[in-house]
Amino acid sequence: DAGVTQSPTHLIKTRGQQVTLRCSPKSGHDTVSWYQQALGQGPQFIFQYYEEEERQRGNFPDRFSGHQFPNYSSELNVNALLLGDSALYLCASSLGRLETQYFGPGTRLLVL
Amino acid sequence: GIQVEQSPPDLILQEGANSTLRCNFSDSVNNLQWFHQNPWGQLINLFYIPSGTKQNGRLSATTVATERYSLLYISSSQTTDSGVYFCAVTMNRDDKIIFGKGTRLHILP
Repeated sequence: DAGVTQSPTHLIKTRGQQVTLRCSPKSGHDTVSWYQQALGQGPQFIFQYYEEEERQRGNFPDRFSGHQFPNYSSELNVNALLLGDSALYLCASSLGRLETQYFGPGTRLLVL
Repeated sequence: GIQVEQSPPDLILQEGANSTLRCNFSDSVNNLQWFHQNPWGQLINLFYIPSGTKQNGRLSATTVATERYSLLYISSSQTTDSGVYFCAVTMNRDDKIIFGKGTRLHILP
């Protein structure tokens, strides 16, 4: 039973560029949540997708957008990258919106 | 907004010692989870515990929702227990998920 997978593992971009991160949930899970974790901080909730719709959103600007596909996999898109977007981006999946979350290994994004 | 405070922020213990980590939250929550983040960044789910007490080997957790706190107990610490421990709550009023800042635990051999 595969766990949560994310791609790519590492990414280097320059300011102003756009990036797409991908997440495949644990088998049987239907809900995907995305988090940003800056160095030395706790994860910050970006948004949650359930039934292909954004259900909840944290305090992130519209530059952060996402999508969930019919197979429950998800993408996180960030436009007009800023230096401050450098962080570990974590995806978590669950069976239902309020249930136990299982995290992927993350994507480390560096914006130069 | 809701506050999630973890204490202590840092803890250094000798192998074999016991420890108690605390998570206080300022509003009513739907659920609460404890996670361990290893040095490579992987978050491992330890407990899903909106209320009551659970045990898993050397680890146990207690959440008293009415008093808005949760405790994580680690007994007979091992060096592999090192890392950062986070609690995360899901708010009752809008289902947003809030993480605390974590407790960084160092277990010395």
